[in-house]
Amino acid sequence: DGGITQSPKYLFRKEGQNVTLSCEQNLNHDAMYWYRQDPGQGLRLIYYSQIVNDFQKGDIAEGYSVSREKKESFPLTVTSAQKNPTAFYLCASSKGRNTGELFFGEGSRLTVL
Amino acid sequence: DQQVKQNSPSLSVQEGRISILNCDYTNSMFDYFLWYKKYPAEGPTFLISISSIKDKNEDGRFTVFLNKSAKHLSLHIVPSQPGDSAVYFCAASAGGTSYGKLTFGQGTILTVHP
Repeated sequence: DGGITQSPKYLFRKEGQNVTLSCEQNLNHDAMYWYRQDPGQGLRLIYYSQIVNDFQKGDIAEGYSVSREKKESFPLTVTSAQKNPTAFYLCASSKGRNTGELFFGEGSRLTVL
Repeated sequence: DQQVKQNSPSLSVQEGRISILNCDYTNSMFDYFLWYKKYPAEGPTFLISISSIKDKNEDGRFTVFLNKSAKHLSLHIVPSQPGDSAVYFCAASAGGTSYGKLTFGQGTILTVHP
């Protein structure tokens, strides 16, 4: 069954700690994305990657880092530099750069205590 | 600076009637528009899209209309069904190097009553 798997679903972090959110896809998609959702707001793009070993900053990249060493995987690290990290994080993928039809995972909810 | 706006936080409709969800945008560079649907505790799923070269696109019960001069798009669902109850997001892209770089609206909660 093809899809996108995000883990963990829920994560609690103390202030000052880095955390890494996992995103794996078995759709053989080239492009992958990380979005963030806050209450009452739309999704905002953090980072995206169109091919392996390449990624670009989105609209709100400060305090985040990513890597794309394998086509299937696009982990997101929320660093201690991110001032307001409590949010719902969504990973997505698409077949290529010429489509906005994204396939989303179920999301990871990060809460900073 | 909200480049894509959905001004109605919620919409309530009777089963069988038409649901109309609205979306406005400000960025003239946007040339590709999409609607996504989201159920609680799930990721959004793609519903329908429209390119700026068209003013209408239809897929079954779902039709998206684009008015470029007004920078406005709308999603019509006819007839509405209780299973359509979800949050609907409109999104826009400037295409170019990546159509997946989407700017989303805040979402509209649609409730369809039996």
